[in-house]
Amino acid sequence: NAGVTQTPKFQVLKTGQSMTLQCAQDMNHEYMSWYRQDPGMGLRLIHYSVGAGITDQGEVPNGYNVSRSTTEDFPLRLLSAAPSQTSVYFCASSYVPRGQDTQYFGPGTRLTVL
Amino acid sequence: DAKTTQPPSMDCAEGRAANLPCNHSTISGNEYVYWYRQIHSQGPQYIIHGLKNNETNEMASLIITEDRKSSTLILPHATLRDTAVYYCIVRVATQGGSEKLVFGKGTKLTVNP
Repeated sequence: NAGVTQTPKFQVLKTGQSMTLQCAQDMNHEYMSWYRQDPGMGLRLIHYSVGAGITDQGEVPNGYNVSRSTTEDFPLRLLSAAPSQTSVYFCASSYVPRGQDTQYFGPGTRLTVL
Repeated sequence: DAKTTQPPSMDCAEGRAANLPCNHSTISGNEYVYWYRQIHSQGPQYIIHGLKNNETNEMASLIITEDRKSSTLILPHATLRDTAVYYCIVRVATQGGSEKLVFGKGTKLTVNP
């Protein structure tokens, strides 16, 4: 198993540009989520999904869109990038969101918005 | 709105036990305590979790107080590779009925040679 994969690893955008951060998992996990991490801070939840076709907002959803058309993929879209979105983005997945389960994290995407 | 409190930093000598404390005084009866760690620039890594009994696995031990208001993660023989930020997390129920992990700022553990 490849686990949780994220592409790209690094990205530089100009203000106003759009892009999609890709996340995929091959563990047949139902639950997937996106976090962002800024210097000196912990991870903050952006959006999450409890299964294909179902998404919900986390702590900091503004400026980001998600969709979940398949179990494997959970892309994060920035429609109009802003410097405040400069961050490291982590995708995570787990079999179920409740109970005794653990989340597996991807390696991260480092995004800089100029 | 993290439900846990951890010291911002700790130091430990290589080969010694590292004891990382966490306070979660508002924890509910059915909420688990999870520990993750994040080595520099990598994604967080699961370590261990527990409800009310002490737990041990190949990585660490988790000691939860009887009133469940605090816990301690123990790395029995810390190595330089254990230098990382350690997060103590309590699952938080969302309005939609699912749950999510809320990461605080964690404890930066530095293992010194």
